[in-house]
Amino acid sequence: DAKTTQPNSMESNEEEPVHLPCNHSTISGTDYIHWYRQLPSQGPEYVIHGLTSNVNNRMASLAIAEDRKSSTLILHRATLRDAAVYYCILRGAGNMLTFGGGTRLMVKP
Amino acid sequence: GAGVSQTPSNKVTEKGKYVELRCDPISGHTALYWYRQSLGQGPEFLIYFQGTGAADDSGLPNDRFFAVRPEGSVSTLKIQRTERGDSAVYLCASSPRVSSYNEQFFGPGTRLTVL
Repeated sequence: DAKTTQPNSMESNEEEPVHLPCNHSTISGTDYIHWYRQLPSQGPEYVIHGLTSNVNNRMASLAIAEDRKSSTLILHRATLRDAAVYYCILRGAGNMLTFGGGTRLMVKP
Repeated sequence: GAGVSQTPSNKVTEKGKYVELRCDPISGHTALYWYRQSLGQGPEFLIYFQGTGAADDSGLPNDRFFAVRPEGSVSTLKIQRTERGDSAVYLCASSPRVSSYNEQFFGPGTRLTVL
């Protein structure tokens, strides 16, 4: 699977929107973009995924660049419970998830 | 409904011992994955099963590691002659089927400490 690049950490204020960026310049045409998050002392949790079009669900929105070389996970109103490590993952023919270092999101009250 | 469960939640063993880690996937999920996570790092793929067969075991670090899923449900990860470097959280995940877009549902993990 192709590699992704994310900032090591980001900080946000509670109840404000958060934009978590991910670069994936070597993405192939069939790679899906997945986001998972991992709260402290828990297993990873699925957030959202997309292929080409922007996606929305109850947890977040995923904005995908037109050339697909980058994407942004958007949390519309951060809460303290959203403090976690967020992983951007490209998933192609291999069915496993290949995690990088992720972005540690800190939410300030 | 019930999620993925893993037992034990914590396991402390001595170097050289044998350990077994168990994963109960979500009922009806045919795909089952094992990952391990060292402190401060993202999870690392070990092996996945489609039904009873290991479809990809390319992530197993060496032949001390082995996993089975004899009836296509519960899986056991087995580690022989444990080493201190095996200390990590071992995560199990399941998915309704093998695909590049289905989400994986993770268990809480087993924390293995090798003294």
